[in-house]
Amino acid sequence: GDSVTQMEGPVTLSEEAFLTINCTYTATGYPSLFWYVQYPGEGLQLLLKATKADDKGSNKGFEATYRKETTSFHLEKGSVQVSDSAVYFCALSGRDDKIIFGKGTRLHILP
Amino acid sequence: KAGVTQTPRYLIKTRGQQVTLSCSPISGHRSVSWYQQTPGQGLQFLFEYFSETQRNKGNFPGRFSGRQFSNSRSEMNVSTLELGDSALYLCASSLVGADGEAFFGQGTRLTVV
Repeated sequence: GDSVTQMEGPVTLSEEAFLTINCTYTATGYPSLFWYVQYPGEGLQLLLKATKADDKGSNKGFEATYRKETTSFHLEKGSVQVSDSAVYFCALSGRDDKIIFGKGTRLHILP
Repeated sequence: KAGVTQTPRYLIKTRGQQVTLSCSPISGHRSVSWYQQTPGQGLQFLFEYFSETQRNKGNFPGRFSGRQFSNSRSEMNVSTLELGDSALYLCASSLVGADGEAFFGQGTRLTVV
């Protein structure tokens, strides 16, 4: 079945460092891909999405490109802030509209 | 536009009891999904309802059930609670065909003692 694998956390970085969180997927067909973010005590919020190969999703300085050849959707940000500390989930939505999530990566940004 | 509303936010129950959680989706959204989130297992899909019908189901025992009403509001029920059912239960609503984008509520934190 469909699945999402993302890098284990926690990831700890200093403010203004470059961020990459790796995400790969297995799916039949052409899924839509998402990154969600969960701040402490809250539900998940959509951060960005891409619906077809080579699409780039971007929001709040974060970017991810849908790479069909490597089945990847890595999250990147050029300069992280303390306020980016959260848990990040990579996800896909397949033909049945069911969303499959990765296990999440906790990100800590140090001032 | 109001977001997804889950009630209650917090619950403490005793082993063996049952519990009902409620979710009101965004107006116009007819698909409602439920997830269980725990530190060990991450986010696990429970089930999805669309137009009052269960459309998808995850790998949870029959103690976990749900339903959806004609106004798209949904409830999930857990019977014969076990300690391992302690978790954050998240509800998400979406527009079918909208590339699967889901909008989440803040969740219900269930503690079983």
